[in-house]
Amino acid sequence: GIQVEQSPPDLILQEGANSTLRCNFSDSVNNLQWFHQNPWGQLINLFYIPSGTKQNGRLSATTVATERYSLLYISSSQTTDSGVYFCAVPDVNQAGTALIFGKGTTLSVSS
Amino acid sequence: ETGVTQSPTHLIKTRGQQVTLRCSSQSGHNTVSWYQQALGQGPQFIFQYYREEENGRGNFPPRFSGLQFPNYSSELNVNALELDDSALYLCASSSYNSPLHFGNGTRLTVT
Repeated sequence: GIQVEQSPPDLILQEGANSTLRCNFSDSVNNLQWFHQNPWGQLINLFYIPSGTKQNGRLSATTVATERYSLLYISSSQTTDSGVYFCAVPDVNQAGTALIFGKGTTLSVSS
Repeated sequence: ETGVTQSPTHLIKTRGQQVTLRCSSQSGHNTVSWYQQALGQGPQFIFQYYREEENGRGNFPPRFSGLQFPNYSSELNVNALELDDSALYLCASSSYNSPLHFGNGTRLTVT
């Protein structure tokens, strides 16, 4: 099945710094999602981005489907950005909405 | 718009017991999927329900079973609990071609 790898596994930032998180996937995909899991376990959908670039406030994401990677940019980081960031792609061996997640990038932002 | 809600939030069970977790899907969503997230890992797909039938299943044994009701809410049942079943169980709902929306999860501890 498709492999999803995220880097770096851990990231420590000072408030105000910028960061780039990367997601590589081993096969063609027709969509990709980025999620943020807060310290209480809630998974929040950040972007649904099969290709191209999207922006939402201080966050933006770019997926280059032909090269099988996606990037999540966080600018002017805040302590509330702390948590785990996951990317996920569809499992083509399953019906419908089954996703394969990477292992995540744990971000810690200190003030 | 009501989001995905899960109950209970926390649960402690003994090895060999059975457990039922519940999920109410987001308004307008007709598909429900369940994920298991072990500590330090990304969520893993258990199964998906659409029109009250299971239509996709990950690599989980038959003691993991589910139901979907006419109002699209869902249950996850796990029989003969094992210590390795300790995890965060996440429910997600969606409709055709829409991103997944996750609930806050149920944290299950098996002792």
